Amino acid sequence: AQRVTQPEKLLSVFKGAPVELKCNYSYSGSPELFWYVQYSRQRLQLLLRHISRESIKGFTADLNKGETSFHLKKPFAQEEDSAMYYCALRGSTLGRLYFGRGTQLTVWP
Amino acid sequence: DAGVIQSPRHEVTEMGQEVTLRCKPISGHDYLFWYRQTMMRGLELLIYFNNNVPIDDSGMPEDRFSAKMPNASFSTLKIQPSEPRDSAVYFCASRLRGNKVGPQHFGDGTRLSIL
Repeated sequence: AQRVTQPEKLLSVFKGAPVELKCNYSYSGSPELFWYVQYSRQRLQLLLRHISRESIKGFTADLNKGETSFHLKKPFAQEEDSAMYYCALRGSTLGRLYFGRGTQLTVWP
Repeated sequence: DAGVIQSPRHEVTEMGQEVTLRCKPISGHDYLFWYRQTMMRGLELLIYFNNNVPIDDSGMPEDRFSAKMPNASFSTLKIQPSEPRDSAVYFCASRLRGNKVGPQHFGDGTRLSIL
């Protein structure tokens, strides 16, 4: 069965420090992985997806099929990065996304 | 495009009342999703439609919840009768037709409080 695990419910770092939000998944087929971000009281927005191999707002994420991970990284966190981050998976034959429980990131000044 | 439009933005009502949440997906999108977000359970998929047809409603918590999509541009999520534990933010999302790798686009959500 498909599942997305975000082991950290809360994560706090200081401004300028590196940050890594962990995401592990289980899916027997070929997955599509996404990171969504939700700023305070706003809608969920797509941050990035593995297929695009892009960096958005300084964030990157690499799909590691061996470790079944899709961790989100940023070398220097900013206060405006404080938000809830959701990792999501979609299988090649699935119409829906499977979301993790989310990680609330707080970046302190 | 205005994006996914949900109404109302906020709803406060007493338990036992019927609640109807509305969603207008992005034009041309053929998938529509209803989610519920709470502190305790995070983001839960309630039901999703493809071409106006419900595909998976296994996330609907109980018979008090129902969802319809009478046409490609409108969907409703109804709770009858409502209970305090239904208090949550309800999001609607849609996805682009034929775009298998496309992301879901979310609405602003409806913040529901049942007293």
